[in-house]
Amino acid sequence: AQKITQTQPGMFVQEKEAVTLDCTYDTSDQSYGLFWYKQPSSGEMIFLIYQGSYDEQNATEGRYSLNFQKARKSANLVISASQLGDSAMYFCAMRENNRSYQLTFGKGTKLSVIP
Amino acid sequence: ETGVTQTPRHLVMGMTNKKSLKCEQHLGHNAMYWYKQSAKKPLELMFVYSLEERVENNSVPSRFSPECPNSSHLFLHLHTLQPEDSALYLCASSQAQGGSGANVLTFGAGSRLTVL
Repeated sequence: AQKITQTQPGMFVQEKEAVTLDCTYDTSDQSYGLFWYKQPSSGEMIFLIYQGSYDEQNATEGRYSLNFQKARKSANLVISASQLGDSAMYFCAMRENNRSYQLTFGKGTKLSVIP
Repeated sequence: ETGVTQTPRHLVMGMTNKKSLKCEQHLGHNAMYWYKQSAKKPLELMFVYSLEERVENNSVPSRFSPECPNSSHLFLHLHTLQPEDSALYLCASSQAQGGSGANVLTFGAGSRLTVL
């Protein structure tokens, strides 16, 4: 079974608008971490934001925020004020702390920002 | 140079060739990783080295052979590959303890491999 599910293969957003990229996860661990990475066409995976399972507040990093709903096992990425440079693949990932080196990724969402 | 550097960026090889992918990190990290990214599939963890010892080997075919001579360098030796091995191979590094907290992986730009 998939541990990370990203149901949106592709998304479009108008420049300067906000967009939400969905991510649900599956784990029986109580301690885990959730990550979002951005992959532009150049190939490099760029770390965006992290949320620990015990963090009570939603993580924020500049224009990125993570809408963490633990009971629903969802960790959606919200990008505010989209820019053309935000066009890229976005990957949600999870590390379960009893498998400390295994970072499991979803299949990704391709975001296209329209001028 | 800073960050994680991978060479070559593009590689085309025949099924009988032997080649190597190189990864170098300038971040002072102690753990290094190889991931495989195939089209329409999630990233797959191949190998992990921590403090120059292999700590994870995810059922990867023996035609892929990793080498970690020191904490800054990681190689992936390739021999008798198959066309289905064509993919983007990503190297990453992190602090030695892979779990607990935001132990963030820093990735290189990848080596795009095509096997003919």
